[in-house]
Parts: sequence; structure tokens; C-alpha cells
Amino acid sequence: EIVMTQSPATLSVSPGARATLSCRASHYVSRNLAWYQQRPGQAPRLLIYGATTRATGVPDRFSASGSGTDFALTISSLQSEDSAIYYCQQYHDWPPLTFGGGTKVDIK
Amino acid sequence: QVRLVESGGGVIQPGRSLRLSCVASGFSFGTSVMHWVRQAPGKGLEWVAATSYDETTKHYVDSVKGRFTISRDNSKNTLFLQMNSLRAADTAVYFCTRFGPKFDDLGHNYFFDQWGQGTLVVVSS
Repeated sequence: EIVMTQSPATLSVSPGARATLSCRASHYVSRNLAWYQQRPGQAPRLLIYGATTRATGVPDRFSASGSGTDFALTISSLQSEDSAIYYCQQYHDWPPLTFGGGTKVDIK
Repeated sequence: QVRLVESGGGVIQPGRSLRLSCVASGFSFGTSVMHWVRQAPGKGLEWVAATSYDETTKHYVDSVKGRFTISRDNSKNTLFLQMNSLRAADTAVYFCTRFGPKFDDLGHNYFFDQWGQGTLVVVSS
């Protein structure tokens, strides 16, 4: 099973600032990685797939990078609605499909 | 517009059974790989089970193998999760989700592009 590790657990940032979230895979996953946003009380929402491709309707302030085992999600110019938990998910080798533990982004 | 609506959750005693349903609309359910993903209170996401469009292939996370069964009725656009021998550790919101029609540059679509709102299962005596 591929274990996904996200850091930091919590990120507190000011509106308009930039946030960078990290995701590391225990084994090589190529670019088979997705990012999700989950706002409080809501279902997850797909943000990124293929490590770098924004899903339909995702604002371009969200960008992502990485391949192999190390990945990053960057949110530039943070807005209040970006307050959420962000999860990465590998789909290189499954079952099982595995998620990281999440990074909570708080807007100060 | 894609819609996934789960139902069937509730409070259930340990060792008992429960069946969840997910009614799909707005897309070709009968050709989609469907999944259940759960989230324990205050915790992260955990993939639970998947079924191919024709139920010939099913996968489960180890912790539910032998206890949970995923199934579908394509004539009714409905996905099911039969949960037997429930444990306190199964307490979670259960989401219905799918592999969507978009593929990444490597030709893979093994990510979840649409989700239901979830149904809460509480296993407690």
C-alpha cells in the first residue's frame, strides 16, 4: 500500500498571501496524483488531477506541481473561501486508493 | 448535471447490518466505475470499495473485506453498500463517488470527480 503523507497539518495564512501544501508518497506514483478541497460540512471537491491539471471550474490561483514522490499544491492570493482541508490522493497503484491525512488551511 | 444522493445511514448497534444506497443522475451510471469513500468524525478520507460498471471486478479496503459488499443496479442507477458485522470503527460519513470521464496525460482517470453529500453511519450500543 502506498502511504501518502501531507505537511503541514495546519497552515494559518493571511488573506492575499500564498500557501504551499506538500504531499509525499511512500513509493513512486509518477504523476498519478489528485488534490481535493473539503470545506466544512461539505463533500470533497476535485481540484487537480494528473499532478498538475486543474479540474473544470477551479480558479487559476490554484496550481500544482511534482512527480514521482513529492508534490505540492500552491494557492496564490488566498481568499476566505479557500479555508478548507486539502487532501492528496494517489492512483498509481491500487487497490487501495489512498489519501493523505490532509492539510487544514485557516485564513487569519 | 451530475448528482449522487446517498441514503440509508443511521445509528446501529455493533454486529448488526446496514445497507447504504446511492442514486445517480445526470451521467451514464451504467458505464461508470463507482466507489464508496468514508470519513470518520474529524478524520481524513478513506477509500472503502469499488465496483466496475458490470460488477465483474470489485475491490475493498482490507478492513472491510468479508464484511462489506458493494453492488449496483444499473437499471435503477443505484449503487449499494451492504455492511455486515458493523464495528465502532466503521462509524463515518459514507460518500458515493465515481471515476469520471476525464483522463489525465497518462491516460488514467482513477480520481474522483463528483461526490455525493454523504450519509452518516454511527455504530454504537
